[in-house]
Amino acid sequence: AQTVTQSQPEMSVQEAETVTLSCTYDTSESNYYLFWYKQPPSRQMILVIRQEAYKQQNATENRFSVNFQKAAKSFSLKISDSQLGDTAMYFCAFMRGKSSGDKLTFGTGTRLAVRP
Amino acid sequence: DAGVIQSPRHEVTEMGQEVTLRCKPISGHDYLFWYRQTMMRGLELLIYFNNNVPIDDSGMPEDRFSAKMPNASFSTLKIQPSEPRDSAVYFCASSLKPGFGGYTFGSGTRLTVV
Repeated sequence: AQTVTQSQPEMSVQEAETVTLSCTYDTSESNYYLFWYKQPPSRQMILVIRQEAYKQQNATENRFSVNFQKAAKSFSLKISDSQLGDTAMYFCAFMRGKSSGDKLTFGTGTRLAVRP
Repeated sequence: DAGVIQSPRHEVTEMGQEVTLRCKPISGHDYLFWYRQTMMRGLELLIYFNNNVPIDDSGMPEDRFSAKMPNASFSTLKIQPSEPRDSAVYFCASSLKPGFGGYTFGSGTRLTVV
C-alpha cells in the first residue's frame, strides 16, 4: 500500500516571501504520479501541480514549483512570491500509474498562512 | 463547463434518517470518485466508478453506505441509517484520465448528523 506523509501540520510565511512544503511517500511502484492540491477556506479542492515519476524535470506552474527526488521519495512544493490568496490547506497526493486510472492517496495536509 | 456539481452543499439530519448526496460529473469524464474528509481521518476514498461501473468500494465503511451511478451524468451516495459519526464533508470528483490530469473536485457536501 502507498503512504503519503506531510510532516508539517502548519506553516506560516510573509507575503512576497518563498515557502517550501514537504512531502514524502512510500511505494514499490516504478511508475506513478504525484500531485499537490490546495484547499482554501471555501473547501474547494484545487489542483496546483502534478509530476510524472518517469520525468526527471521538475514541474512548474507559475509561482509554484516542485522538487521531485525520486530516489529519496520526496516531493516538496515551493511557492514563490507568496500571496494572501495562497492561504489554504495543501495536500500532497499519490496515484499509481495504470492505464486504467486509479485512486488518489492523500497526505494529512499542511495548513499554510500567508501574513500581510 | 460548470465543473463537478454536488448537492446539497449543506445537510443537517437526525440520527437514523436516510441521507442522499448527489453528484453530476463533468461531461465526458468516465471516472467518478467519492471521498470523505474528516479532521481525524483526512481524505478517504469511499468508492470509485469507471464507465458507471463500481471498480473499488473497499473504502465504504459499512453496509449503511451505498453508491450508485445509473448513468454517466449522475451518481448518488446514500447513508441509511445515518449516525453522528458520519458527519463529514463528502466530495465527489471526476476525471477523464486520472493520472494525466488528476481529478476535478466538486465543492463538497457538509453533512451533520445530530
